[in-house]
Amino acid sequence: DAGITQSPRHKVTETGTPVTLRCHQTENHRYMYWYRQDPGHGLRLIHYSYGVKDTDKGEVSDGYSVSRSKTEDFLLTLESATSSQTSVYFCAISESVGGRSYEQYFGPGTRLTVT
Amino acid sequence: AQSVTQLGSHVSVSEGALVLLRCNYSSSVPPYLFWYVQYPNQGLQLLLKYTSAATLVKGINGFEAEFKKSETSFHLTKPSAHMSDAAEYFCAVSYYGGSQGNLIFGKGTKLSVKP
Repeated sequence: DAGITQSPRHKVTETGTPVTLRCHQTENHRYMYWYRQDPGHGLRLIHYSYGVKDTDKGEVSDGYSVSRSKTEDFLLTLESATSSQTSVYFCAISESVGGRSYEQYFGPGTRLTVT
Repeated sequence: AQSVTQLGSHVSVSEGALVLLRCNYSSSVPPYLFWYVQYPNQGLQLLLKYTSAATLVKGINGFEAEFKKSETSFHLTKPSAHMSDAAEYFCAVSYYGGSQGNLIFGKGTKLSVKP
């Protein structure tokens, strides 16, 4: 299994509070991704990173920010959590071959509930 | 825009029967295609991948998929279902472009296996 950990694994928070989720990898892969998974929607990309300090928005980036100060860590922050951000969040990593990334490997997920 | 369509959000088969999960993609450039499996409360695990080599791809747990360019399909099959195959399956496409080869996921198909 790819060395990807996510913390925390479960979190309950109140509307309006900031929340930070952490993804840590030991594979030294260049690309890192944050997804959210909701019933009927599959996985939707929130943000991704293609190197240290290099990040870009995905399909559902509103209300989220990310940071990557080290290769191994990718942080997802909800500046002011809302109930619509209740979801399961997955981190993934990927390596690039010939300028095109291949398969992604996923972490175990973080279940976030915003009350 | 690139997209992935999985026909059938739920598929039910009897143990020992053929498993067929359908995936059609839309891509203006040659795609890379993937199938992932997700067991309850776990992350996604790569089942198999097509990366422009052989069109018939074999994966883990006895699954295989065939890339058919003329039909823009990448259906997943297994000759004989096992109870342990009950899970959710996701088809995904990767494309080269401004999004650094990000994966686009289908909405998933939940497979049930009846004894």
